[in-house]
Amino acid sequence: AQSVTQLGSHVSVSEGALVLLRCNYSSSVPPYLFWYVQYPNQGLQLLLKYTSAATLVKGINGFEAEFKKSETSFHLTKPSAHMSDAAEYFCAVSVPLGGSARQLTFGSGTQLTVLP
Amino acid sequence: ETGVTQTPRHLVMGMTNKKSLKCEQHLGHNAMYWYKQSAKKPLELMFVYSLEERVENNSVPSRFSPECPNSSHLFLHLHTLQPEDSALYLCASSLQAGQTYNEQFFGPGTRLTVL
Repeated sequence: AQSVTQLGSHVSVSEGALVLLRCNYSSSVPPYLFWYVQYPNQGLQLLLKYTSAATLVKGINGFEAEFKKSETSFHLTKPSAHMSDAAEYFCAVSVPLGGSARQLTFGSGTQLTVLP
Repeated sequence: ETGVTQTPRHLVMGMTNKKSLKCEQHLGHNAMYWYKQSAKKPLELMFVYSLEERVENNSVPSRFSPECPNSSHLFLHLHTLQPEDSALYLCASSLQAGQTYNEQFFGPGTRLTVL
């Protein structure tokens, strides 16, 4: 079964420092991977998605992620953290449902804290 | 209104009450989803509707009853809930339930507290 694992439930970085949030996937077929962000009291917002067109995927708000098949990873990075990046981040993989439908299976999330 | 909206945003109910959560999407999508988000747990998919037909139930207790009258509206009817049902309930929609990339758009959620 396809799944994702997020390493580190809490990550703290200083403002201006590199952000690295880890996601590893488990899949026997080419996965379709996503990163979502959730700000307090809000729903999830798509940051970026991997569609096999390019291994380095650029998203919104300066985030990007690199698909590495050899490491089964899809880590999320941002060169310089901003206070507004403080939120919870979810990695997800698209998996088949019954029939032709698909669903997203989410990781457990990583809470990012940005220190002034 | 644009995107996915959910009402109410907050709901407090007793265990014997009956209430409903409403979700509406203004994106022209054909698939809609209910998720439960509890503290310290991954998002749990509860129900999936594709073209107004239920695709997935995911073994949700019968005290949760979904309804999808058309592709723009989704309801979650609640009755005789338990305190452990307190959570954030998120609605989402996507263009098609079978779309490979299956990008989902989420509403802001309803924060439910069961007393």
